[in-house]
Amino acid sequence: RKEVEQDPGPFNVPEGATVAFNCTYSNSASQSFFWYRQDCRKEPKLLMSVYSSGNEDGRFTAQLNRASQYISLLIRDSKLSDSATYLCVVNGVGGFKTIFGAGTRLFVKA
Amino acid sequence: EADIYQTPRYLVIGTGKKITLECSQTMGHDKMYWYQQDPGMELHLIHYSYGVNSTEKGDLSSESTVSRIRTEHFPLTLESARPSHTSQYLCASSDIGTRQYFGPGTRLTVT
Repeated sequence: RKEVEQDPGPFNVPEGATVAFNCTYSNSASQSFFWYRQDCRKEPKLLMSVYSSGNEDGRFTAQLNRASQYISLLIRDSKLSDSATYLCVVNGVGGFKTIFGAGTRLFVKA
Repeated sequence: EADIYQTPRYLVIGTGKKITLECSQTMGHDKMYWYQQDPGMELHLIHYSYGVNSTEKGDLSSESTVSRIRTEHFPLTLESARPSHTSQYLCASSDIGTRQYFGPGTRLTVT
């Protein structure tokens, strides 16, 4: 079993749709969590950090459930420009080990 | 946004050549990483460093080697390039426990 697992995708959605990505992690001692976005043939870039209380940035909402070891990303009112691969990232204790999920690809169509 | 640089951005080279991929960051980060990623595939960690004179192998076995003589510099070397080394190589850096910043990557093709 992988330490960080994501929905395999791809997700194909129309513009304006709401889409949710899920991610689970195996190490209960993990301390910090992130969602990154990676465009085709580009480097990953931080989309948002994930906090226990949940956090929102415009159309994007991230949630963390430590009891279930589960992270989610919700995108509302999808735009064509949201098409990308979304990576779930988990940092271990003391930040000494960072694990990237395999990524979930999103295609938003007009 | 991120002060992390990689050169060259693209490299096409023949089999058997020695190559060094450069990575530099000006953020004073102690941790640096090298990832290998094939098109449409996941990231694989091949090397990382916690600081000067510290280097470790990552999760994916790689024939490359790295060095960390200065905090800001983390070059990756392939002594004898092969077609199987064709891939994108991404360098990243971070403070402990925080987000990673990625360089733009080097796209390597070995003919």
